[in-house]
Amino acid sequence: DGGITQSPKYLFRKEGQNVTLSCEQNLNHDAMYWYRQDPGQGLRLIYYSQIVNDFQKGDIAEGYSVSREKKESFPLTVTSAQKNPTAFYLCASSTRDRFQPQHFGDGTRLSIL
Amino acid sequence: SQQGEEDPQALSIQEGENATMNCSYKTSINNLQWYRQNSGRGLVHLILIRSNEREKHSGRLRVTLDTSKKSSSLLITASRAADTASYFCATVTFTGANNLFFGTGTRLTVIP
Repeated sequence: DGGITQSPKYLFRKEGQNVTLSCEQNLNHDAMYWYRQDPGQGLRLIYYSQIVNDFQKGDIAEGYSVSREKKESFPLTVTSAQKNPTAFYLCASSTRDRFQPQHFGDGTRLSIL
Repeated sequence: SQQGEEDPQALSIQEGENATMNCSYKTSINNLQWYRQNSGRGLVHLILIRSNEREKHSGRLRVTLDTSKKSSSLLITASRAADTASYFCATVTFTGANNLFFGTGTRLTVIP
């Protein structure tokens, strides 16, 4: 089945530690996205990539980093510079057609130890 | 930045009733999309309406768009307990990347 896989489902971070969230898609989509969702809130865009080896900052990129070395993969690193990382992180992918929807993974919940 | 606001923030109805959710946005759009999110899960796309369309239907869903008022509504008819979820509107602009700007969402509870 085609889809997006996020792992792990739950992740815990210690103070001063970087953690990496995985996102893999087999939909052959060019574009991939990372969103952050806080309780009772909508989604805010962290980073996006429209093509391999290229990515752009979204609205809340500070304290995060990404890479796009393969079309299928778009990992997100939450660095120690992100002072409030506790949130639900969602990855999505789409074609570059504005009239096509984004497809979402089932998210990773990150908490601080 | 988040572009949309949704109203109401929470809605509780009996099974079989209709549910209406409203979304307002701030800038010109290419299209508006509605997504559903079950608790602790990812978002699922429901319906897309283009800026030159005024109404669209899909099964029990009816979406309207009023670009002069920069607003949209989602109607779910004959609701079921399985419709319990959060519903988000998201807009796509004409320029730049194909990014979605999400509203704050409406939490719908359908009581059996």
